[in-house]
Amino acid sequence: GENVEQHPSTLSVQEGDSAVIKCTYSDSASNYFPWYKQELGKGPQLIIDIRSNVGEKKDQRIAVTLNKTAKHFSLHITETQPEDSAVYFCAASFRGFNAGGSEKLVFGKGTKLTVNP
Amino acid sequence: DVKVTQSSRYLVKRTGEKVFLECVQDMDHENMFWYRQDPGLGLRLIYFSYDVKMKEKGDIPEGYSVSREKKERFSLILESASTNQTSMYLCASSSPGQAYGYTFGSGTRLTVV
Repeated sequence: GENVEQHPSTLSVQEGDSAVIKCTYSDSASNYFPWYKQELGKGPQLIIDIRSNVGEKKDQRIAVTLNKTAKHFSLHITETQPEDSAVYFCAASFRGFNAGGSEKLVFGKGTKLTVNP
Repeated sequence: DVKVTQSSRYLVKRTGEKVFLECVQDMDHENMFWYRQDPGLGLRLIYFSYDVKMKEKGDIPEGYSVSREKKERFSLILESASTNQTSMYLCASSSPGQAYGYTFGSGTRLTVV
């Protein structure tokens, strides 16, 4: 079935350290993997995404890696800052929920990241 | 700035009431989704719609229904609210045929007493 596992559920780091969140997915046909950040009282916001034809993508202090063979992908945050504290969700695409073949996203259960000053 | 707007940030309703949660998007997206978010359970899909008047059940549709009369508006209906429907409800939208990320609203925190 469609499943995305995310670990850890909570993560606490010191300011300046790196943080890594890992996800695995069940469907080898999945080809799109976004990451969302949800700050307190807000809806999730897309922070970075990666497609299956790419192994790694970076955007300043954030990077995502993808291993399609092992069906896992990871979010890396370097030089963490207190404002990185939030809940992070990974997701994977699963195809074909309508005749047009639109994809739907299945989400992991989230990781609460706390960056201590 | 493109947006998904949920009409209420906080709602308190009584058990047995009929509850309407409204969501409007201004991006001309075909796909719209309703999720509920509970601690430790992540985001669970309730219903989604890929066109006007079209709807599909998600993973937890029991106790809910939806309405999509216009492309920009997707409503979630709790026919008879129960305390176990106390939760954060999130609406999202996306473009079809593309694996682009969803755009989420800010959420409605519903408390059923």
